[in-house]
Amino acid sequence: ETGVTQSPTHLIKTRGQQVTLRCSSQSGHNTVSWYQQALGQGPQFIFQYYREEENGRGNFPPRFSGLQFPNYSSELNVNALELDDSALYLCASSLNRGSNTEAFFGQGTRLTVV
Amino acid sequence: GDSVTQMEGPVTLSEEAFLTINCTYTATGYPSLFWYVQYPGEGLQLLLKATKADDKGSNKGFEATYRKETTSFHLEKGSVQVSDSAVYFCALTTAIQGAQKLVFGQGTRLTINP
Repeated sequence: ETGVTQSPTHLIKTRGQQVTLRCSSQSGHNTVSWYQQALGQGPQFIFQYYREEENGRGNFPPRFSGLQFPNYSSELNVNALELDDSALYLCASSLNRGSNTEAFFGQGTRLTVV
Repeated sequence: GDSVTQMEGPVTLSEEAFLTINCTYTATGYPSLFWYVQYPGEGLQLLLKATKADDKGSNKGFEATYRKETTSFHLEKGSVQVSDSAVYFCALTTAIQGAQKLVFGQGTRLTINP
């Protein structure tokens, strides 16, 4: 177990709705990254937060947004849900932003959009 | 952009067989390379990593060597067990704005039969 916890574990939403996913990072980790893993694919980078600031963003539209709190926990918000947003959303925390720093992944939130 | 290509699956082997899962990458600069494993219903776990050319990462009997000349990081294990059944992802780190993100291959599903 990595110490990274995500909630909820499963979620079903209707197209057009909004959703908030939550992540508690491992103790002492100040960097949180979010990934989207579509069925049968590798995870795709959404964005990263470092010390409460967005630190880098992948190729996702602005309706994907996030927050990081002073305790370094994080939220991923998705507005105007589309069917293609159905995926496993993974949160990863790390001690810092460095390339050699290990990222610890949570178990993910399975989002289904109907 | 940077990318990772993995051997297509699924791969099915008998217990105690030799395993190779091929991984090649395209990157500017000198990325760190990783193998992650995903068991059913779980998030990603780091299996091993290598941070520079000719480094060998190893863990739980698995090995991979960072080959800069062939841009490869093939995963090997001499004798697989049923418990090794999972999806394996090759990944590299790359910089995006201020962040270091992981770029994943598409994953290789491995099934070991008793």
